[in-house]
Amino acid sequence: KNQVEQSPQSLIILEGKNCTLQCNYTVSPFSNLRWYKQDTGRGPVSLTIMTFSENTKSNGRYTATLDADTKQSSLHITASQLSDSASYICVVSAPTGGGADGLTFGKGTHLIIQP
Amino acid sequence: DGGITQSPKYLFRKEGQNVTLSCEQNLNHDAMYWYRQDPGQGLRLIYYSQIVNDFQKGDIAEGYSVSREKKESFPLTVTSAQKNPTAFYLCASSTSGGTGAGNTIYFGEGSWLTVV
Repeated sequence: KNQVEQSPQSLIILEGKNCTLQCNYTVSPFSNLRWYKQDTGRGPVSLTIMTFSENTKSNGRYTATLDADTKQSSLHITASQLSDSASYICVVSAPTGGGADGLTFGKGTHLIIQP
Repeated sequence: DGGITQSPKYLFRKEGQNVTLSCEQNLNHDAMYWYRQDPGQGLRLIYYSQIVNDFQKGDIAEGYSVSREKKESFPLTVTSAQKNPTAFYLCASSTSGGTGAGNTIYFGEGSWLTVV
């Protein structure tokens, strides 16, 4: 069964610090991996999408990495801001398997930035 | 502004009632989706539609129904057959169905449904 595991479940850091969120997946075959940011009570917003051949992709202070061999991805946040407080969801896309839409969602990492 | 509009934001349902959640998009997207989000759980697909007048069941379709009479609209009805409907519901759309990297999925702001 296709699975996406995210760690840690929750994380608290001080404003200005860096942090890294992890995503391990067992989805196969693999098409692409997506990171979304979801503010509390709102819809997810896309941060990055990476295909099999991409190792890293940045979006401002967010940098995602992908190791398709070990089936691991990370999302690094640099110089955190209070507005980064949110849940970060890893989504793996596959042409077959996963959900009926070909997507397998992780449960998310809940990040809290403290002033 | 272009985007996806869900309404209402908060909805209360009595036992045995059907309720309908609205989803409208002006992005000219062909594909639309409904997801359910429960605390501490990943999003789960309820229904999706890749084209007008056609839709497919997702992983948890029981107790739900949809229609796609217009490209812009994809309403979700939560029927009385859904025994545990309290959740956060997210509507989404994309240019087309499929899992390619060029097919970004855009989400609405969500609707909270509570059974009272």
